[in-house]
Amino acid sequence: AQSVTQLGSHVSVSEGALVLLRCNYSSSVPPYLFWYVQYPNQGLQLLLKYTSAATLVKGINGFEAEFKKSETSFHLTKPSAHMSDAAEYFCAVSAASGYSTLTFGKGTMLLVSP
Amino acid sequence: DAGVTQSPTHLIKTRGQQVTLRCSPKSGHDTVSWYQQALGQGPQFIFQYYEEEERQRGNFPDRFSGHQFPNYSSELNVNALLLGDSALYLCASTLRGSSYEQYFGPGTRLTVT
Repeated sequence: AQSVTQLGSHVSVSEGALVLLRCNYSSSVPPYLFWYVQYPNQGLQLLLKYTSAATLVKGINGFEAEFKKSETSFHLTKPSAHMSDAAEYFCAVSAASGYSTLTFGKGTMLLVSP
Repeated sequence: DAGVTQSPTHLIKTRGQQVTLRCSPKSGHDTVSWYQQALGQGPQFIFQYYEEEERQRGNFPDRFSGHQFPNYSSELNVNALLLGDSALYLCASTLRGSSYEQYFGPGTRLTVT
């Protein structure tokens, strides 16, 4: 069984500030981990993925995440927030073997103020 | 290269009715998954189709059924609609063996009144 916990339903930052969105996972098997972004009234866009290669993963739009097995975490960061980063972010986990079904967290809404 | 497409974009139905949602996967993808995203929640896995068969199913009642066609496109059917079925329904496609990266469509917003 797998689950994802995203700490904080809303995170507010100022433009130019560090973005940190937290994700902890639980998995009985080696996991693949993903971060998706969802803009209003749109589907999900993949930001980055961890698939058992490098533990520090770089994605699109300047985002990166680090897989920490000992902490069962996969936090998303960006050094400097832009207004265009305001959206909802979802962390997801799938098993590294078997079928590619995703288990999502409840999401974190990122608010960016000028 | 066309991405995942879904139709219709929006749909309004009455309790007890039946609905069919459609999905065309990304070119070259052979596996289709469906997710339900209720307002303010993360997406929840409904089922996955591969080679025209349901390969895995989430915790959804039998009122939810699907189909995959030889061209890999897929349908999601929901019978006896309940108010709680109101949600954004997302389709995602995957290429088998691609590190499980799923590409999502824009979704169908279903409102049940």
